[in-house]
Amino acid sequence: DVKVTQSSRYLVKRTGEKVFLECVQDMDHENMFWYRQDPGLGLRLIYFSYDVKMKEKGDIPEGYSVSREKKERFSLILESASTNQTSMYLCASSLWRQGITYEQYFGPGTRLTVT
Amino acid sequence: AQSVTQLGSHVSVSEGALVLLRCNYSSSVPPYLFWYVQYPNQGLQLLLKYTSAATLVKGINGFEAEFKKSETSFHLTKPSAHMSDAAEYFCAVTLPYNGNQFYFGTGTSLTVIP
Repeated sequence: DVKVTQSSRYLVKRTGEKVFLECVQDMDHENMFWYRQDPGLGLRLIYFSYDVKMKEKGDIPEGYSVSREKKERFSLILESASTNQTSMYLCASSLWRQGITYEQYFGPGTRLTVT
Repeated sequence: AQSVTQLGSHVSVSEGALVLLRCNYSSSVPPYLFWYVQYPNQGLQLLLKYTSAATLVKGINGFEAEFKKSETSFHLTKPSAHMSDAAEYFCAVTLPYNGNQFYFGTGTSLTVIP
């Protein structure tokens, strides 16, 4: 079974702090994704990465950055946390092959509260 | 651009009754479609997917969905609801040649009444 793990289930940070959310997948997937989930808004893509050191912006990248130094690990960074970044953050991964769409596998999520 | 609309943010059914969760999509080309389930305090788990093969797709836990191109719909059904089906359900759409970009609906919370 594919396993996607996230470093924390719950996190409380103060406004202005730098926050790191870590995600690790164990199935050698090329693609990795970071979403935020808010009530009534569904899942919104922040960033995704299709290879080591490669990244693309999603729909809401402002205030976030990412890092992928190893294939299995994808980090989301909040450079200066703000209260409007209080949310559930979900990491996902998927295979990639030219012309084929694969389902995404999700981690358990990190519920971040910024006070 | 692709988008997904899930009608009804909250649905309640009695245990043993039919479950029907609605999903309509907008896409410029025939899309791939997915249903995911999210149990409390967990990530999303794939229920089923449509990738241009059979239009009636069977998934896990007795769920199925039918792709209807003429109605641009991909509704999720289950003949008999169980208490363990209480969860949040998300419909998602993507393009066959660009599977990196999934577009998710806003979700439907299913309550099962004993």
